[in-house]
Amino acid sequence: AQSVSQHNHHVILSEAASLELGCNYSYGGTVNLFWYVQYPGQHLQLLLKYFSGDPLVKGIKGFEAEFIKSKFSFNLRKPSVQWSDTAEYFCAVNAQNYGQNFVFGPGTRLSVLP
Amino acid sequence: DAGVTQSPTHLIKTRGQQVTLRCSPKSGHDTVSWYQQALGQGPQFIFQYYEEEERQRGNFPDRFSGHQFPNYSSELNVNALLLGDSALYLCASSSWGYENTEAFFGQGTRLTVV
Repeated sequence: AQSVSQHNHHVILSEAASLELGCNYSYGGTVNLFWYVQYPGQHLQLLLKYFSGDPLVKGIKGFEAEFIKSKFSFNLRKPSVQWSDTAEYFCAVNAQNYGQNFVFGPGTRLSVLP
Repeated sequence: DAGVTQSPTHLIKTRGQQVTLRCSPKSGHDTVSWYQQALGQGPQFIFQYYEEEERQRGNFPDRFSGHQFPNYSSELNVNALLLGDSALYLCASSSWGYENTEAFFGQGTRLTVV
């Protein structure tokens, strides 16, 4: 069965600090990878996605993620966070052979201090 | 262009009762998936509907059932509610197929079982 782990439950940063959120997945086949963000009181929104090709993907709001197949990892990065990045971040995996259901990680809560 | 809409936004039910949650997918989407997000956890896949049939199912008991209508909207029904069913229920819509599995999420229905 697929599973997704996220390295940190809660991350606290000051504005302008760099961010890296870890994500590892467990699945032996080909996968699609996603990062979703959930701002307080809002719906889940897609930050970025990886289907194939260049393992470094860029998303919205200055976020990027790198897929390292050998490490089963898909870490999210941002060079300089803003207070408005305060949110819950979820890594998700979709196994290409099993339709369109997603396995989500437990989430990382990011708090950015002004 | 309306996104994914869910109703109601909040619901309080008594243990043992039955509940129906509703979802209208984003325009142009034909596939609806339902997720349960318990407090402090990532969403967990319940099931997915396409062409009015349940296509995939997660590890949820038969008390959880669903339906998809010809206009692609969907319902999630939960019978014999338990306290542990209290959660945010998310609907996600997408287009059927394996090449582009980006899903759009609604804001969810917050179900409280007392």
